[in-house]
This record gives sequence, C-alpha cells and structure tokens, in this order.
Amino acid sequence: QQQVKQSPQSLIVQKGGISIINCAYENTAFDYFPWYQQFPGKGPALLIAIRPDVSEKKEGRFTISFNKSAKQFSLHIMDSQPGDSATYFCAAIGVDSNYQLIWGAGTKLIIKP
Amino acid sequence: GAGVSQSPSNKVTEKGKDVELRCDPISGHTALYWYRQRLGQGLEFLIYFQGNSAPDKSGLPSDRFSAERTGESVSTLTIQRTQQEDSAVYLCASSFTDRAEQFFGPGTRLTVL
Repeated sequence: QQQVKQSPQSLIVQKGGISIINCAYENTAFDYFPWYQQFPGKGPALLIAIRPDVSEKKEGRFTISFNKSAKQFSLHIMDSQPGDSATYFCAAIGVDSNYQLIWGAGTKLIIKP
Repeated sequence: GAGVSQSPSNKVTEKGKDVELRCDPISGHTALYWYRQRLGQGLEFLIYFQGNSAPDKSGLPSDRFSAERTGESVSTLTIQRTQQEDSAVYLCASSFTDRAEQFFGPGTRLTVL
C-alpha cells in the first residue's frame, strides 16, 4: 500500500512532442506529490509538485494532472526539448508514510531532435 | 548559496574493506536522508535523520550499514566489509523540515571490486 507505481520505464519522444509519465498509488493518506528530474551524474532535483486539493498544476511547459478518485497523477511535458532528456521520478508523502517520500521507479525520457 | 555536498565523488574499494561516505547538508536543514541508487534504478531509502530525534534506520539493508549525524550538521554513512552488491551511487539529501522539498547532493559512486 506504500508503493507508487510509475510507467513507462522508458520513453522516446520527438522534439516538440508531448511527453506523458504516469503514476498510481494506493495510500489515500498521501497528501503531497512531487516530481523530481535527474540528469546523468547528478542528484534528483524537484521539478514540480501538487497537493490533492487541485486537479492540475502548470509551471511553464510542465503540468501535473491529478485524479484523486482514480489515485493517479501524471506529468506532461509540452513542446518537449532535447534538454528535457533525463530520468523523472514521481513520489508521494503523507502521515502514513511517516513523512518519508515514497518513490516511483523512474522513467528515462529521451527527446529525439 | 551552497548546496548539499558529498565526498568523495568516487570511491573504488576492494571487497571486504570498510568505506565511509560523507554528506554536508544545507545549513539550517533539520532533515537529512541517505539513499542508494543502483545503475539505472530508482532511489532506495536507507536512513533518515530529523533534528535530535532517533533516526529512522528502517531502510538499511544489513547490519554492515550504519550512519551517524552530529546535531544538524555533517552525516557519515559507513559500510563495513563491503560486498560487490554494495556498488551503487549513494545520494544524500537534506530538507528544511521533514515534509519540505529535498535537496540532493551529487552522490558518491561506490565501486566494490
């Protein structure tokens, strides 16, 4: 019940296209859902995050869509660029996880020029 | 300002040797986390320190692993009698509180021959 399931494991998108990464969870006590971006040789860095009281959050080309009833959330990258090529991790946190981030397995995104 | 720093950046050791990895968190951050990331894999939680509370050691994979933190400053992760399966990148993160954004260091790449 503490898991966050992320898909796909890898994704190739043409430059200018939309990249979509999905995550699902079971624990309804999760109340904060961040996405982290990791470039090779670097630690992950927070990209965007959402709380369950909103269904969508947009920051530039990055959008989180949140479906509370389905217990799913997704990251959309509009007008994907080669510089977006990285590994993306979704995560969740809540009182039941003892305030530990529960991480998805990651998605390796490659944007083809 | 300075981010999270880790040392060494790379460590090659022989099977059976002990290693010590260091993390310097962002000043003022009360929470500190250690993660392990195997090649191409997600983040595996190891241990969590929050202020002066007892650390959450639930992620440590065996008794060969231990970690210490002095107050709200430097932390060291020690792996005794290293095994080849310990080869991974060890990431440290800190956050202002236990539910705030985690800021990651660049990691220490450990190779056990």
